[in-house]
Amino acid sequence: NAGVTQTPKFQVLKTGQSMTLQCAQDMNHEYMSWYRQDPGMGLRLIHYSVGAGITDQGEVPNGYNVSRSTTEDFPLRLLSAAPSQTSVYFCASSFVASNYGYTFGSGTRLTVV
Amino acid sequence: AQTVTQSQPEMSVQEAETVTLSCTYDTSESDYYLFWYKQPPSRQMILVIRQEAYKQQNATENRFSVNFQKAAKSFSLKISDSQLGDAAMYFCAYRRANFGNEKLTFGTGTRLTIIP
Repeated sequence: NAGVTQTPKFQVLKTGQSMTLQCAQDMNHEYMSWYRQDPGMGLRLIHYSVGAGITDQGEVPNGYNVSRSTTEDFPLRLLSAAPSQTSVYFCASSFVASNYGYTFGSGTRLTVV
Repeated sequence: AQTVTQSQPEMSVQEAETVTLSCTYDTSESDYYLFWYKQPPSRQMILVIRQEAYKQQNATENRFSVNFQKAAKSFSLKISDSQLGDAAMYFCAYRRANFGNEKLTFGTGTRLTIIP
C-alpha cells in the first residue's frame, strides 16, 4: 500500500531552470493538492484538483503550473525557478467530502541557487 | 477567509509530563473539521487527531486529546505522559465540511521539545 509517492526527495536547481515534481497516489482519491512549507509560515496551498481534468489555484500559485490527466497523478511544474521557491513541497490527497484529513507524501526539499 | 493561529512557536515539556498546545481559528461556518498533524524530523506529516465541529464530545486518541471550544473557536491539543518520540512540529488545521471545499488551512506550527 504505497499511499502518496513523491519524487524526487531532494533537488537543487539553478535560477531559471525548470523542473517537475512528481506525485502519484494509489488510493483512488479524487482530491489532490500541493503545499509548500516555509519556516514560520506553516503549509500554504499552491494548487489543487478535485478530479481528472479539473485544477484550481491556491493561495501561492505564481511560478507553478499543474495538470491532472489521470486520477492517480498530479505533477507540479516550476516554470523558471527562483530562489524564493526554495522550500519543502508536499503533495497530499483525500476523498472529496472526507473528514479524515489528508494523506501526505514524504515531501521534496528544493533548493534554488 | 479562514485563518488558523498557533501562538506558541516553541514549547517544551519534561518526559512523562503533560503539555497543551494552543490553536485558535476564525470562521463563519458552522460545520467544519479540525485536525492536529505531527511532523517529526523525518518530515512526514502524520495525522494525530481530528474533530468534527458538530460533535460536542472532545476527540481522544490514546495519550492525545483535544479541548474543543466551538464558541471560543479554540482547539487545543493535550499530550499526556509525554514521550521522547513526541518531539516534533505540531500543526493545527481547519477544513470546511462542504463538498468541493477540501482545502486544509494550516497554522504556523508549534515545535515541541521533550526534556529527558
